[in-house]
Amino acid sequence: ETGVTQTPRHLVMGMTNKKSLKCEQHLGHNAMYWYKQSAKKPLELMFVYSLEERVENNSVPSRFSPECPNSSHLFLHLHTLQPEDSALYLCASSQDGSSGANVLTFGAGSRLTVL
Amino acid sequence: GQNIDQPTEMTATEGAIVQINCTYQTSGFNGLFWYQQHAGEAPTFLSYNVLDGLEEKGRFSSFLSRSKGYSYLLLKELQMKDSASYLCASMDSNYQLIWGAGTKLIIKP
Repeated sequence: ETGVTQTPRHLVMGMTNKKSLKCEQHLGHNAMYWYKQSAKKPLELMFVYSLEERVENNSVPSRFSPECPNSSHLFLHLHTLQPEDSALYLCASSQDGSSGANVLTFGAGSRLTVL
Repeated sequence: GQNIDQPTEMTATEGAIVQINCTYQTSGFNGLFWYQQHAGEAPTFLSYNVLDGLEEKGRFSSFLSRSKGYSYLLLKELQMKDSASYLCASMDSNYQLIWGAGTKLIIKP
């Protein structure tokens, strides 16, 4: 256990479904992140929240909608996804979002398959 | 532009030494990270270098040359459990991480 817990670990959904990914951190960190990891590709940063304010949104399609109700929880709401959205979605947290030596602690990821 | 290059896959023998290279082009460079990711698990932090030189942590060492835009991760006395992907990431002037695609390391008996 890293201190960052993601649920569900695996999710299969149709293109018309609506689902959510959940992330919870027990480290007292102030920043939380969503990353997309596809095979043999670099990690893609999707969203960053610092002190519950969204500070980064890297041109992510609107079918992905983040929510950060408090500094310990982060959600990624999914709707009308495409097959190319199938990937491992990683949540991470860090002490803060804007300093050097900003070490990320990752969750084990949610493996998403879109049919 | 900003870019990170590292080999896609490497193979090494148990008990041996392996060096995983990473080259980067990053504006406003603020340091270089290495993470380890076992299959199906979370990436975990290994090292952070911001100054030139070698930093050693047990069997793992990380080297940085800022003038050459180059880093390597050195793993000694390889064990089967070291089979994993190793992710290189540089930090830019906005403290954003630019990630490489990862190097899959296969350890053979």
